[in-house]
Amino acid sequence: EAGVAQSPRYKIIEKRQSVAFWCNPISGHATLYWYQQILGQGPKLLIQFQNNGVVDDSQLPKDRFSAERLKGVDSTLKIQPAKLEDSAVYLCASSLAGSLYYEQYFGPGTRLTVT
Amino acid sequence: AQRVTQPEKLLSVFKGAPVELKCNYSYSGSPELFWYVQYSRQRLQLLLRHISRESIKGFTADLNKGETSFHLKKPFAQEEDSAMYYCALSGSQDDKIIFGKGTRLHILP
Repeated sequence: EAGVAQSPRYKIIEKRQSVAFWCNPISGHATLYWYQQILGQGPKLLIQFQNNGVVDDSQLPKDRFSAERLKGVDSTLKIQPAKLEDSAVYLCASSLAGSLYYEQYFGPGTRLTVT
Repeated sequence: AQRVTQPEKLLSVFKGAPVELKCNYSYSGSPELFWYVQYSRQRLQLLLRHISRESIKGFTADLNKGETSFHLKKPFAQEEDSAMYYCALSGSQDDKIIFGKGTRLHILP
């Protein structure tokens, strides 16, 4: 089966600019996650969707970050405006359901550099 | 507060020697523990999880609730084990996974 797809793979922007990332989960996976991984750290969950509804966005900086999964399939994560500290790899993952009994499958990530 | 601590940033081990990657956690309830691995130029993937009680690629991990540890072990290291390893925790109340900072395992020839 095809894995989780993400684009772009790399993005360089200046601070205060906007950026959007796209994720296509594995077909049939109801749950989708966005993680932020800063250099030298483990991934940190930003938001979790179950179909097109938000399950957990407690760690999403809502003043500048937004995410949507309108049709319960693809998802986009947006940053507006970007700050230097947003430089990180943004990982998308999906699983069959939201239970921890279902394995999360990760995409290749988008490496964002904010200058 | 939930926390996962991996005390070693880098661990270098000779091929054929035993490997132990340390992981300690802080959680007030009954956590589920995982090990994730990222090989060079590959995606982050699940290596093993406590609830499955399985051995993957020769690796095992035992949950020690008294010491709040979930160390990853392998009796004989292989060169292909070189990778970044992340210990992770999920609470019984929700599915959110909290990752440690990771340990880079380098197997020396």
